[in-house]
Amino acid sequence: QQQVKQSPQSLIVQKGGISIINCAYENTAFDYFPWYQQFPGKGPALLIAIRPDVSEKKEGRFTISFNKSAKQFSLHIMDSQPGDSATYFCAALSGNTGKLIFGQGTTLQVKP
Amino acid sequence: DAMVIQNPRYQVTQFGKPVTLSCSQTLNHNVMYWYQQKSSQAPKLLFHYYDKDFNNEADTPDNFQSRRPNTSFCFLDIRSPGLGDAAMYLCATSRDRPGWQFQETQYFGPGTRLLVL
Repeated sequence: QQQVKQSPQSLIVQKGGISIINCAYENTAFDYFPWYQQFPGKGPALLIAIRPDVSEKKEGRFTISFNKSAKQFSLHIMDSQPGDSATYFCAALSGNTGKLIFGQGTTLQVKP
Repeated sequence: DAMVIQNPRYQVTQFGKPVTLSCSQTLNHNVMYWYQQKSSQAPKLLFHYYDKDFNNEADTPDNFQSRRPNTSFCFLDIRSPGLGDAAMYLCATSRDRPGWQFQETQYFGPGTRLLVL
């Protein structure tokens, strides 16, 4: 019940296309959902985050869509660029435990 | 400006030789975390400090210990590194525990890659 399931494991998108990464959870105690971007050899960097009382949050080319009833959330990267090529982790944080539970990660490659 | 700093960025040690990794933060955050990340895997929480209160994960090996002498610094000690401990070690901080509006956002350092020979 503490798991966050992320898909796909890898994704190849053409430059200018839309990248979509999906995550699903079961624990209704999760109340904060960040996305992290990680380049090889670097630490994860917070990209965007959302709370379950909001259905969508947009920051630049990055949008989180949140479906509370389905317990699903997704990251959309519009106009994907080669510089977006990285590993993306969704995560969920429980207010009860204070722990951040990560998804398995998605390796995104944006082809020029 | 660097907010979470980890030193060294790369560390090579010998099998069984104790090693210490360090983390410092300029954010004045109350909570500091240590994660282990192996290749192509998600970060795995080892332990965290809320101020001076140490919280160990149940599955963290006894070989791993931590110290937090003050708000800014936190150390990860690996007493007898094995080949399986080769990984990226990530330090993270958050302003406070969950319950406060976005103060639980975790900010990660660049990591220290540990190689065990």
